[in-house]
Amino acid sequence: EAGVTQFPSHSVIEKGQTVTLRCDPISGHDNLYWYRRVMGKEIKFLLHFVKESKQDESGMPNNRFLAERTGGTYSTLKVQPAELEDSGVYFCASSPVGQGGRSPLHFGNGTRLTVT
Amino acid sequence: GQQVMQIPQYQHVQEGEDFTTYCNSSTTLSNIQWYKQRPGGHPVFLIQLVKSGEVKKQKRLTFQFGEAKKNSSLHITATQTTDVGTYFCVGSNYKLTFGKGTLLTVNP
Repeated sequence: EAGVTQFPSHSVIEKGQTVTLRCDPISGHDNLYWYRRVMGKEIKFLLHFVKESKQDESGMPNNRFLAERTGGTYSTLKVQPAELEDSGVYFCASSPVGQGGRSPLHFGNGTRLTVT
Repeated sequence: GQQVMQIPQYQHVQEGEDFTTYCNSSTTLSNIQWYKQRPGGHPVFLIQLVKSGEVKKQKRLTFQFGEAKKNSSLHITATQTTDVGTYFCVGSNYKLTFGKGTLLTVNP
């Protein structure tokens, strides 16, 4: 079984530019989560998809962040325009259908975003 | 909102010493999960605790869930250099909330 894959693994952009992160969950996993870890702080929830629907987006920091999951397969997270405080590691995780918070999360390797 | 406090933030031990990390939730949890993240890696699921007072063991690792389902601990007996990494607890209620993690370093 292929794991959760994220692309790119690293991204360095300038303040004001746009970056799009991609996550391919494990095939068949309806739950897809985006998390972010800023240096020295805890991993913070951004949002949760169930298939193509946004189940919970309460963790999205502001309207510069846009997440999509068209077709309920892979997901993208776009940051536009990027700010310095957006730097960190963005993790995607998936879990099987219907189990939500009771199922272990399978994490991707993350995308390390650096905004200069 | 739901908060999960985890201590200590850092722990350095000599190989062979024991290690414990603790998590406390501001609300009663339906379950708690533990993950380990090696340096440069991603969190990997270790275990899930569901029942009040539950204790589970994985070789040298012992996980406990409090009677009130608001706290949990992970204890490692006789640490090894392969145990290095950050250990996270994740409290689950209607959503998953991560603790800050405990970074464990082991001196050989």
